[in-house]
Amino acid sequence: NAGVTQTPKFRVLKTGQSMTLLCAQDMNHEYMYWYRQDPGMGLRLIHYSVGEGTTAKGEVPDGYNVSRLKKQNFLLGLESAAPSQTSVYFCASSYLAENTGELFFGEGSRLTVL
Amino acid sequence: AQSVTQLDSQVPVFEEAPVELRCNYSSSVSVYLFWYVQYPNQGLQLLLKYLSGSTLVESINGFEAEFNKSQTSFHLRKPSVHISDTAEYFCAVTNQGGKLIFGQGTELSVKP
Repeated sequence: NAGVTQTPKFRVLKTGQSMTLLCAQDMNHEYMYWYRQDPGMGLRLIHYSVGEGTTAKGEVPDGYNVSRLKKQNFLLGLESAAPSQTSVYFCASSYLAENTGELFFGEGSRLTVL
Repeated sequence: AQSVTQLDSQVPVFEEAPVELRCNYSSSVSVYLFWYVQYPNQGLQLLLKYLSGSTLVESINGFEAEFNKSQTSFHLRKPSVHISDTAEYFCAVTNQGGKLIFGQGTELSVKP
């Protein structure tokens, strides 16, 4: 049982380049989330989805787009990467809404924008 | 808006010593509280949670946290830590219908 899988795990981009992070979960969870983790700032929610075909903005959505075309996948896109987007990105999923249920996290994707 | 503050960014302790990781939150309504743990190079895992009922909650590996409404705190404690407890610990708070807000994290370093 793989749980939550993120690809790629590491990526280096130049300013202005685009890329997509893929998150896949095999637990049939309705809810999926993308967070970024920066030193001293904890985790901040970028975007989330409450089901297939739905997306919503989180705390820090600017510069990112997401899609949830299939229930098991949640994609995070950067159209024009900026150095401020250098971070570790975590995908998570949950069966219940995050305010009562447990979030299951992937191992993270470390992105460096030069 | 809700917020959560973890009062210590780093906590170094010796093996078998007790430890307390402090967490305070700001909210005037009923809250749900969580502690997540992140081991090196891994994602976060739920350690324990308080939704309602008994104010003292425990994890399977010996940690416990007490919900203190009057002090708006949810401190995490363990009476005797192991090397394997070395990790970063995140406190998180939300309420019914709200989004989960994470604290800044506390790095627990257990030394032999």
